[in-house]
Amino acid sequence: DGGITQSPKYLFRKEGQNVTLSCEQNLNHDAMYWYRQDPGQGLRLIYYSQIVNDFQKGDIAEGYSVSREKKESFPLTVTSAQKNPTAFYLCASSIVRQRNSPLHFGNGTRLTVT
Amino acid sequence: QKEVEQDPGPLSVPEGAIVSLNCTYSNSAFQYFMWYRQYSRKGPELLMYTYSSGNKEDGRFTAQVDKSSKYISLFIRDSQPSDSATYLCAMSKRDDMRFGAGTRLTVKP
Repeated sequence: DGGITQSPKYLFRKEGQNVTLSCEQNLNHDAMYWYRQDPGQGLRLIYYSQIVNDFQKGDIAEGYSVSREKKESFPLTVTSAQKNPTAFYLCASSIVRQRNSPLHFGNGTRLTVT
Repeated sequence: QKEVEQDPGPLSVPEGAIVSLNCTYSNSAFQYFMWYRQYSRKGPELLMYTYSSGNKEDGRFTAQVDKSSKYISLFIRDSQPSDSATYLCAMSKRDDMRFGAGTRLTVKP
């Protein structure tokens, strides 16, 4: 069954620690995205990648880093520089590289930093 | 002013009611309009994808776009308890996509 797998579902970390969220897709999609979802706000784009070994900053990239070494995988690292990292993180993909394409989402990782 | 405005609700309706969900936007460059449904602790799933003004129907769901008023709507007919979720509007142009904050809907049996 094709889709996007995000792991873990829940993640707890202490302040000052870096943490990496996993995102794997078997849809053979070129483009992949990371969004952050906070209550009362629309999804905000952190990073996106339209092709392997290339990625671009979104609206709120500060304190985050990504890599795209394989088409299937787009891990997100939340660094200690991110001021308010507690949030619901969503990975998405699209079949074409244009950013106006509809997105397929994973089921998210809820990160809590204390 | 936010680029996309969506009433967060919550909206509660009885089973069988017609539901109307709405978003307004400020950027006239948006050309593609989407509605996503998001169940609790899950990722959003695409419900409707439309281009240009007019109506698009899919089963019990109708998406309406009025570009002149910068207003989009999603209508749900014969609403069911399984429709209880948060509904996100989204709109895009070639190099950008923006989301509303979502409207939380509860359909009571």
